[in-house]
Amino acid sequence: DGGITQSPKYLFRKEGQNVTLSCEQNLNHDAMYWYRQDPGQGLRLIYYSQIVNDFQKGDIAEGYSVSREKKESFPLTVTSAQKNPTAFYLCASRPPGLRTDTQYFGPGTRLTVL
Amino acid sequence: GQNIDQPTEMTATEGAIVQINCTYQTSGFNGLFWYQQHAGEAPTFLSYNVLDGLEEKGRFSSFLSRSKGYSYLLLKELQMKDSASYLCAVNSNYQLIWGAGTKLIIKP
Repeated sequence: DGGITQSPKYLFRKEGQNVTLSCEQNLNHDAMYWYRQDPGQGLRLIYYSQIVNDFQKGDIAEGYSVSREKKESFPLTVTSAQKNPTAFYLCASRPPGLRTDTQYFGPGTRLTVL
Repeated sequence: GQNIDQPTEMTATEGAIVQINCTYQTSGFNGLFWYQQHAGEAPTFLSYNVLDGLEEKGRFSSFLSRSKGYSYLLLKELQMKDSASYLCAVNSNYQLIWGAGTKLIIKP
């Protein structure tokens, strides 16, 4: 079965702790994305990666970090510098090819910082 | 700046038709997407328009007017399972800019 997986679905952390969210895909997609979704707002781009070992900041990268060591994996670390980390985090990937812009999403991780 | 507007919430009756509008002002345009998102779940792709006109896909249709910066999603023969949020997103310079979504409530 091909798809995008994110784990865990729910995550609780204490304030001041770093936490890493997992995103894995076996679709052979080159591009991967991390979004944050808050109630009443559109999805906001945190980081994206078009190819292995390369990634770019999105609109709200402060307080987050990523790595892209393998094509299949794009983990997101929420650091203690992120002022308001409680949110729903969505990972997405996009098939290769310039004319294919559709992004496909994983199930999401809901992070709650206590 | 870049801006996408959708109504926050709409209510419709099972079996009826509903039209969800989306207006946009973006620095570039390479297509417009509609996604469906059930509560607590990930968005799923519904449609993509890059040229003006209507794209029909079963009970769902999506329309685009690039000159007016306007799109709509038309849902026919509404079913209770259509209760969800509908997200409009514009591909602007190969980045997706997202609207806040329209929550659609279906009543029996």
